[in-house]
Amino acid sequence: EIVLTQSPATLSLSPGERATLSCRASQAITTYLAWYRQKPGQPPRLLIYDASKRATGVPARFSGSGSGTDFTLTISSLEPEDFAVYYCQQRYNFFTFGPGTLVDVK
Amino acid sequence: QLQLQESGPGLVKPSETLSLTCTVSGGSISPFYWSWLRQPPGGRLEWIGFIHYSGSTKYNPSLTSRLILSVDTSKNQLSLSLSSVTAADTAVYYCRLGTPGDGFDTWGQGTMVAVSP
Repeated sequence: EIVLTQSPATLSLSPGERATLSCRASQAITTYLAWYRQKPGQPPRLLIYDASKRATGVPARFSGSGSGTDFTLTISSLEPEDFAVYYCQQRYNFFTFGPGTLVDVK
Repeated sequence: QLQLQESGPGLVKPSETLSLTCTVSGGSISPFYWSWLRQPPGGRLEWIGFIHYSGSTKYNPSLTSRLILSVDTSKNQLSLSLSSVTAADTAVYYCRLGTPGDGFDTWGQGTMVAVSP
């Protein structure tokens, strides 16, 4: 099973600041990585797929990068709705998710 | 606009079978893949399996022995059956269009299932 780890576990920032989230895979997964944002009581929302492609309707402040085992999600300027949990997910070999990064208000 | 709605019992007893339905409205089940995922309280998401509208399936290896996914194109419904449940199966269960990370992003709102005597 491909294991995903995310760092940091919690990121405390203020609105307008830049957020950088990391995801590392236990083995190379080329670019088969997605990022989701999840708010309490809601299903996840797909932000990025295939490492760097923005999903339909996702604002340009979200960008993804990386390949192989190391990936990054960048939010250029945090909006109030961005304070949530972020998950990475691989689809190279079956489908597994990371443990999540909580972005909360400083 | 495509909408998905999960339904089923909110409480299942240990060792019994958990059965859920996902009703698709605003569009057709064909020609797509459909996935089931779950998320335990405070935990990470877990992929359960996916089913093609033709009926072909792929399951999470950790659940294969207990899981059956099916599709009823006449009713535009998907079904999940998970046998011999334990407390570890307590989670919010989601159905969604496509397979995780494929670019589609249509989900049901999820249904909470608790496994308890």
